[in-house]
Amino acid sequence: AQSVTQLDSQVPVFEEAPVELRCNYSSSVSVYLFWYVQYPNQGLQLLLKYLSGSTLVKGINGFEAEFNKSQTSFHLRKPSVHISDTAEYFCAVSDPSGTYKYIFGTGTRLKVLA
Amino acid sequence: ETGVTQTPRHLVMGMTNKKSLKCEQHLGHNAMYWYKQSAKKPLELMFVYNFKEQTENNSVPSRFSPECPNSSHLFLHLHTLQPEDSALYLCASSQARTSGYEQYFGPGTRLTVT
Repeated sequence: AQSVTQLDSQVPVFEEAPVELRCNYSSSVSVYLFWYVQYPNQGLQLLLKYLSGSTLVKGINGFEAEFNKSQTSFHLRKPSVHISDTAEYFCAVSDPSGTYKYIFGTGTRLKVLA
Repeated sequence: ETGVTQTPRHLVMGMTNKKSLKCEQHLGHNAMYWYKQSAKKPLELMFVYNFKEQTENNSVPSRFSPECPNSSHLFLHLHTLQPEDSALYLCASSQARTSGYEQYFGPGTRLTVT
């Protein structure tokens, strides 16, 4: 069965510093990959997704992620974070063979410090 | 209203009560989902409906009973819940029940079972 690992449960970072949130998945087949963000008292919002093509994916709010098939990783990055980026970030994977299930990671809480 | 809405936003109920959660999507989507979000655990997919037909019941206890009267509305009927059922319940919708389509989430209902 597929699984998604987000090794860091919390990541504190100072404002305007770069950040990388790590995501690894377990799969030997093709996958679709997603990053979602959840602000306090809100649902999940899609940041970006990788379906095929270029391995560098750009999303909203200045975030980007790179798909690395050999390392089965899909790390999320932002070159300069803002206080407003404080939120929970979830990585998810789905199987393009026809199922619709998303397998989510446990989330990484990004806390941006002033 | 736009996107996916959920009511109520907060619910406190005793173990012998019966209550219902409501979800409505204004996106013209055909697939709707219920997820359970508990602290420190990955999102758990509970039910999936595609064109009003239930296509997934992810081994959810019978004290949770979903209903999908049309493609825009989804309910989760609750009865004789347990304290461990306290969680954030998220509704989501997507254009189709295929893995490449983004799922749009509602803000969730925070359920507390006393």
